[in-house]
Amino acid sequence: GDSVTQMEGPVTLSEEAFLTINCTYTATGYPSLFWYVQYPGEGLQLLLKATKADDKGSNKGFEATYRKETTSFHLEKGSVQVSDSAVYFCALGLNNAGNMLTFGGGTRLMVKP
Amino acid sequence: GAVVSQHPSWVICKSGTSVKIECRSLDFQATTMFWYRQFPKQSLMLMATSNEGSKATYEQGVEKDKFLINHASLTLSTLTVTSAHPEDSSFYICSAPRASALSYEQYFGPGTRLTVT
Repeated sequence: GDSVTQMEGPVTLSEEAFLTINCTYTATGYPSLFWYVQYPGEGLQLLLKATKADDKGSNKGFEATYRKETTSFHLEKGSVQVSDSAVYFCALGLNNAGNMLTFGGGTRLMVKP
Repeated sequence: GAVVSQHPSWVICKSGTSVKIECRSLDFQATTMFWYRQFPKQSLMLMATSNEGSKATYEQGVEKDKFLINHASLTLSTLTVTSAHPEDSSFYICSAPRASALSYEQYFGPGTRLTVT
């Protein structure tokens, strides 16, 4: 079956550091890929998505590129802020709406001033 | 602001009792909603797809008689954990797709933490 693997956290960075959170997947067919973020006390929010190979999703300074050859969708940000502290989930879905998602385990990011 | 709400946000119940969790879409209609379960420090696992006006579709390994889902209106889906046991203690999260400018986006509720004693 489909699965998503992402690096375990927590990841602790200083403000303005470069962030990479690795995500790899296994899937049949051609899934859409997502990154969701969960701030403390809130529901998951869509951060970015990519619906086909070589697509790059981007939002709020975060980027991820759908790499079919390496089955990866790594999340990157050039300069993190304290406000980026949250739990990040990589997920795949059968369509671009995000229905019936398969999630990775989540990675907690802590950014220190 | 939140577009999907859940109630209650947390609940403690005794073993053998039933608990109902509500998921509401606040300013849009959702013919389909999704229920997930999250164990501590683990991933979200899809439990079932809630369909307005018809039966829910359950994922493999999820007991439909234990986790009753009712999607009675276009803005409300309920998950009832029947005869709850301590192993049912978990974080339950719902989501609903909402139309955006170009496609749909999935909106998640804040989750309900269930503790069965």
